[in-house]
Amino acid sequence: QQQVKQSPQSLIVQKGGIPIINCAYENTAFDYFPWYQQFPGKGPALLIAIRPDVSEKKEGRFTISFNKSAKQFSLHIMDSQPGDSATYFCAASRPTGNQFYFGTGTSLTVIP
Amino acid sequence: NAGVTQTPKFRILKIGQSMTLQCTQDMNHNYMYWYRQDPGMGLKLIYYSVGAGITDKGEVPNGYNVSRSTTEDFPLRLELAAPSQTSVYFCASSPRGGGSYNEQFFGPGTRLTVL
Repeated sequence: QQQVKQSPQSLIVQKGGIPIINCAYENTAFDYFPWYQQFPGKGPALLIAIRPDVSEKKEGRFTISFNKSAKQFSLHIMDSQPGDSATYFCAASRPTGNQFYFGTGTSLTVIP
Repeated sequence: NAGVTQTPKFRILKIGQSMTLQCTQDMNHNYMYWYRQDPGMGLKLIYYSVGAGITDKGEVPNGYNVSRSTTEDFPLRLELAAPSQTSVYFCASSPRGGGSYNEQFFGPGTRLTVL
C-alpha cells in the first residue's frame, strides 16, 4: 500500500515554464514532508521540506504548497531550467517513526 | 566527510550466484536503509536498521539479508540471485528515523544485473 501517492509519473516543460508535481497522503500522523531530487546516475538528495504548520515554503526557485485539510502537497519550480531535469520524489515521515515513506517519483524534463 | 559510500558501482551476476553489496557511512548516523529503485516504481525499502545489532524488514525483503555489526557498515546480502533482483540499489543513512528537519543521505547506488 503506497503511503504517499505522487503524480504525474513524467512531465515535460519548456524552459521558463512552471512544472507542478503533486503528492497526497492519508496518514494524519505524518508531520514532515521533504522533497528529494535525483539526477541520472546519482542518489536522491534533499531539495526542500515543509512542516504542516505552514502552507507554503520557498527556497530559491522551488516552492512547496501544503494543504493540510486536503492532505496534499505540491512542488512548484519557477522559471524552470534544463538543469532542473531530474527525478523528484516526495516523502513523508512521522514524529517517532523509523523511516520515510516515498512517492513513486516524477521524471521531469525541461526542454531548452 | 565521504558521506555514504557504496561498492561496487556495477555488477553482473548469473542466476543463482550470491553477492554482498557494501555500504559505509561516516556521519555516525544510527539509522541506515537499503532501497531498490526500479523504473516507474520509486524507492522500495528492503531492510533498515535503527542501530548496531538491530535490523528490520521493509516492504520488499524477500531474497535479501542484512547485518549491522557496527554503526558505520550495513551490508546487503543477495542469496541465489534471480532476474527479478535486477535493479539499482541505494543505501541511505539518517540521524533519526523520523521527525522534522531530518534527512536521509543517499549513496551513489549499485546497478545490479542478474542474467
